[in-house]
Amino acid sequence: ETGVTQSPTHLIKTRGQQVTLRCSSQSGHNTVSWYQQALGQGPQFIFQYYREEENGRGNFPPRFSGLQFPNYSSELNVNALELDDSALYLCASSSPETANEQYFGPGTRLTVT
Amino acid sequence: AQSVTQLDSQVPVFEEAPVELRCNYSSSVSVYLFWYVQYPNQGLQLLLKYLSGSTLVESINGFEAEFNKSQTSFHLRKPSVHISDTAEYFCAVSLMDSNYQLIWGAGTKLIIKP
Repeated sequence: ETGVTQSPTHLIKTRGQQVTLRCSSQSGHNTVSWYQQALGQGPQFIFQYYREEENGRGNFPPRFSGLQFPNYSSELNVNALELDDSALYLCASSSPETANEQYFGPGTRLTVT
Repeated sequence: AQSVTQLDSQVPVFEEAPVELRCNYSSSVSVYLFWYVQYPNQGLQLLLKYLSGSTLVESINGFEAEFNKSQTSFHLRKPSVHISDTAEYFCAVSLMDSNYQLIWGAGTKLIIKP
């Protein structure tokens, strides 16, 4: 059974650019949640996708958008990058049977300069 | 609104000593409770969870946490820590009537002194 994977592991972008982060969910999991973890803080919920539809969103502006594909993998897109977007972006997947238990990937470290 | 408070940002403790990491939450609806661990330069791993039933839950590596509804707490304890327990520990809650999004505390760094 393959766990949650994310790509890339590290990324450096310039303010104003756009970025796409990718996540492959664990086998059998149809729900993907994205979190932002700034340095020294706990994760903050960005949004969740269930069966290719957005299923809840945290307090993040519209320039944070997402997508889920038929194989349940997911993308997080961030437009017009700001310096404060520098963070570790975590993806977590869960299954219908254990919706309250989320399995995390290793994260993508985004640095905006 | 729901919130999670971890009262200590860092907890230094000697190896083989006991430790308690504190977590309090605030919620107007019923919640599930979790502790996650993050080792240096790694992602988050589920340590233990409370969903229902016995208020004392245990992990496979000797940690335990007790749900106290009246005090809205879910403190994490270990009777004897090892150097390998050095990590950051996050307390989180998910709302029973929602999409199970996790609401997180700010984390507590456990520092083991030899």
